This record gives sequence, C-alpha cells and structure tokens, in this order.
Amino acid sequence: DAGITQSPRYKITETGRQVTLMCHQTWSHSYMFWYRQDLGHGLRLIYYSAAADITDKGEVPDGYVVSRSKTENFPLTLESATRSQTSVYFCASIERTSYNEQFFGPGTRLTVL
Amino acid sequence: AQSVSQHNHHVILSEAASLELGCNYSYGGTVNLFWYVQYPGQHLQLLLKYFSGDPLVKGIKGFEAEFIKSKFSFNLRKPSVQWSDTAEYFCAVKGNEKLTFGTGTRLTIIP
Repeated sequence: DAGITQSPRYKITETGRQVTLMCHQTWSHSYMFWYRQDLGHGLRLIYYSAAADITDKGEVPDGYVVSRSKTENFPLTLESATRSQTSVYFCASIERTSYNEQFFGPGTRLTVL
Repeated sequence: AQSVSQHNHHVILSEAASLELGCNYSYGGTVNLFWYVQYPGQHLQLLLKYFSGDPLVKGIKGFEAEFIKSKFSFNLRKPSVQWSDTAEYFCAVKGNEKLTFGTGTRLTIIP
C-alpha cells in the first residue's frame, strides 16, 4: 500500500546503545522529515532531507544521525542513546513542487532505560 | 527565526460548546499556516491550511480558522464540539522550507 511507514513501532533500549529508526515512503516525495514529540514541547524537527544525499539539521539534531541514500528511505540513528531521547518519533514527507500538507508516519515510541 | 505560540495547553469543554484555540506566530515574511490534529494513539492529520486568498479557511469536521495578518494569528474555531473532537491540536507555520509547530493544545470534550 502507498504511504509512509515507520519501524519499529515500539522500541525499548538501554543507555549507550545504538538505535536506528526506519522510515519508508512510497510516494517518491522529495522532502522527508524527522520530528520528536514530547509533552510540553509539541513537535520539534530533528533533521530533514530535501532529496537523496541532501540532509540538514533541524531544531534539535544533537545525538542523532541521518542518511538518505535512497529517496524512499530516511533512517534516523541514535548513536549512543540517552534517557533524554525517550520520546515518540514521527517521520513525515512532502512533495517538492507543491508545499502542501506534510504526511506523517504512525510514529515510533522509543524508551531509553 | 519563525516561531509559533499556542497559549492554551489544555482546554476542557462540554459537548455542544463553542471552541476557539489560539495560535500566534512570528515571522517577517510570507507564511503558510496549518492546523493538525492528533487523535489518541494516532498520527497527525491535517485539519486545514492557509496559503493565500480568503483569510477564513474551512477544514474538515466543521473546523475553521481565520488568518489575521495584523495580529499574526491563526485561531482555530468550531461552533459546536463533539466528544469525538477530543484530541491534541497543533498549529504550524511555514516561513521557509521547514514547518515549525506549536507546543499543542490538548482538548478534552466531556459528554
């Protein structure tokens, strides 16, 4: 089915471990985004990508790494997870030519113990 | 830098009451404005958006919002809320290529 998917949907990990959250979209949208959602902060942009091999920092990039070797995939890696990275992570995508609505994935709930 | 403020953090209303959620933004140039809704356990969905033209925008499920440029506001309204409107509502502004979200307003509707 067309759309935007995230995996895993739930993840529990320990401090110091590396974790990768996957995001896949089937529309061939140029732009993709990673947000984290925390109480009292709403959604905050971590990283975004305008196209394959083009990424840029958002509001809260520290502790995260992204890559975009293929248009449809935009993985987010926590190189050494910390408790403060416990959050719900949303991936989103949008077409290049018409800045319309962002389409959001279902989210990944990450708990760092 | 662009920013968005949602001053109501939690709003509790009875069914059939009227709703107005505040949203103010700061940005010096042309903006696009959005309201998103997140129902419990679900991802964000677009309620409505403003790009240009008529400042009164109508969205899905009976929601509307009015862009008042002089006040840098884009308040969300609904004349009569339903229990199913219980959700979190996010205002967002796009000044450049990135969206900036407000902190959200939790709306609880009491049957």
